[in-house]
Amino acid sequence: GEDVEQSLFLSVREGDSSVINCTYTDSSSTYLYWYKQEPGAGLQLLTYIFSNMDMKQDQRLTVLLNKKDKHLSLRIADTQTGDSAIYFCAETNSNSGYALNFGKGTSLLVTP
Amino acid sequence: NAGVTQTPKFQVLKTGQSMTLQCAQDMNHNSMYWYRQDPGMGLRLIYYSASEGTTDKGEVPNGYNVSRLNKREFSLRLESAAPSQTSVYFCASTYRFAYEQYFGPGTRLTVT
Repeated sequence: GEDVEQSLFLSVREGDSSVINCTYTDSSSTYLYWYKQEPGAGLQLLTYIFSNMDMKQDQRLTVLLNKKDKHLSLRIADTQTGDSAIYFCAETNSNSGYALNFGKGTSLLVTP
Repeated sequence: NAGVTQTPKFQVLKTGQSMTLQCAQDMNHNSMYWYRQDPGMGLRLIYYSASEGTTDKGEVPNGYNVSRLNKREFSLRLESAAPSQTSVYFCASTYRFAYEQYFGPGTRLTVT
């Protein structure tokens, strides 16, 4: 299938901004998502962006989409220790009934 | 409104045993999905059901069967469990176009 790639680890200090990057290969992606997973828990949808948008802001979260380069990023402002988790980038399109195609996840560690 | 529920939460099987993972949603969603999550991997699609009465294979369907019993329920069956099927299994559902896909809490399966 098409690939979704993410860096595996990111470490930031509390109060700093975190930027998690993702690249994808499927040019027909319709929606792109960021999910958060805390240890031993299920997946929580953080935000999503439609492919004809280039930015979406939701409180501390900013999503940037560069469709030409197939690059998606998630910026978390004022990162807190409670933001420590694994963050998954995912894309979907009309293939596979709009199932999600996930990256392997970026493990974010926030240190005091 | 319970969202997406999965049973059981944990299960240990011996190689060759069979079992069915149950999933139900109460949001009147049309599409339902089964994913598996392995360490260091993102979620991978096993099977999906775009609407009641239809099922299709995803990326990793071998060793599994599914049943879309009605609009609410979508079960995943392992006919002869293998150690390679040790994983966390997530069920998800969406109304349409997957713009917001809701996940269940997961079933942790160990096959010895």
